[in-house]
Amino acid sequence: NAGVTQTPKFQVLKTGQSMTLQCAQDMNHEYMSWYRQDPGMGLRLIHYSVGAGITDQGEVPNGYNVSRSTTEDFPLRLLSAAPSQTSVYFCASRDGTVNTEAFFGQGTRLTVV
Amino acid sequence: GNSVTQMEGPVTLSEEAFLTINCTYTATGYPSLFWYVQYPGEGLQLLLKATKADDKGSNKGFEATYRKETTSFHLEKGSVQVSDSAVYFCALSSRSNDYKLSFGAGTTVTVRA
Repeated sequence: NAGVTQTPKFQVLKTGQSMTLQCAQDMNHEYMSWYRQDPGMGLRLIHYSVGAGITDQGEVPNGYNVSRSTTEDFPLRLLSAAPSQTSVYFCASRDGTVNTEAFFGQGTRLTVV
Repeated sequence: GNSVTQMEGPVTLSEEAFLTINCTYTATGYPSLFWYVQYPGEGLQLLLKATKADDKGSNKGFEATYRKETTSFHLEKGSVQVSDSAVYFCALSSRSNDYKLSFGAGTTVTVRA
């Protein structure tokens, strides 16, 4: 059981470039989400999905797109990278109930120069 | 909306000292409460949880009690070890907020030998 797998682990982008952060889970979880972690701000929700074909915005969605074509995959796209998007990104999954734990990937450290 | 306020760090302790990290929350309905831990270079993992008032979650010597009257979920450990050095996040989830996890800012704990 791999859990939640994120790729890449590290990435450097130039301002204006686009890229996709990959996230895959093998636990058949309905609920997947993307967070960014910045010093002193905890984890902030970017986008989330409650099932295949369904996505919604979190707290800080601007500059990011997501799609959920399968239960397993939930990629995050940066449309035109900006230095303000320098951060550590985490993907998480959980089943569709309020009491269960979320499982996190190892994170992607993104630097935009 | 839901929010979590967490004691700010960083916290530096000597081995075998007592650790408390304060966490208070604002939520509608009856949230579930969680503590997650992030070890250096890793993603978050669940430390403990409590799903209703007066529940006590415990794991690895850590404890936290769900106090509805004070809207608190403080984390405690009686005797910390160097291996407990990590970032600790308080979080909550509720049906009224579409099951989304809301995180506190995180508290960095360093334990010295």
